[in-house]
Amino acid sequence: DSGVTQTPKHLITATGQRVTLRCSPRSGDLSVYWYQQSLDQGLQFLIQYYNGEERAKGNILERFSAQQFPDLHSELNLSSLELGDSALYFCASSVAGAGRTDTQYFGPGTRLTVL
Amino acid sequence: AQSVSQHNHHVILSEAASLELGCNYSYGGTVNLFWYVQYPGQHLQLLLKYFSGDPLVKGIKGFEAEFIKSKFSFNLRKPSVQWSDTAEYFCAVQPGRRALTFGSGTRLQVQP
Repeated sequence: DSGVTQTPKHLITATGQRVTLRCSPRSGDLSVYWYQQSLDQGLQFLIQYYNGEERAKGNILERFSAQQFPDLHSELNLSSLELGDSALYFCASSVAGAGRTDTQYFGPGTRLTVL
Repeated sequence: AQSVSQHNHHVILSEAASLELGCNYSYGGTVNLFWYVQYPGQHLQLLLKYFSGDPLVKGIKGFEAEFIKSKFSFNLRKPSVQWSDTAEYFCAVQPGRRALTFGSGTRLQVQP
């Protein structure tokens, strides 16, 4: 158990719908990362938040957005869902403090199925 | 942009065989290097990491990896695999404190 929690574990929805995935980082971690794992694209970085502010963006679609709240939990919002959005969505957290070293610990993921 | 190559997509070994999984990356600056493992149906777990210092790093479950800067490589090794090592292994590169760039993964199947 990494200490990172994600809910829900599974989500089944229809095309065109909107869903929200939730992530709680490890105690003391200020940084949250979202990744998407799919069969064709592999593991891809979507977005990073640090202490409530967006820090970096990866291959995140405009239909997707995220935020990090004052209690440091984060939500990933996926809208106008398409079949190709079906994937495993991982959240990771890290301290992201001073210095170069920083280890990310991953949550169990949310498996999204779009029908 | 950095990229990570894992040339072995699927490896099948018998128990007690030795393992070496290749990982090469392209990035001009200083990077942190990681190996993560994903057991069937589970999340990514950190096996080992390299930030600086001794290029031979030891991780959990008897795994080790060697960073060879001149070859931009960070290969994973284990002298004797077990059936329980059956999983997918991901190499990842991290410039500074940024997001990870993952390789495509290597599926390891260990036969009893």
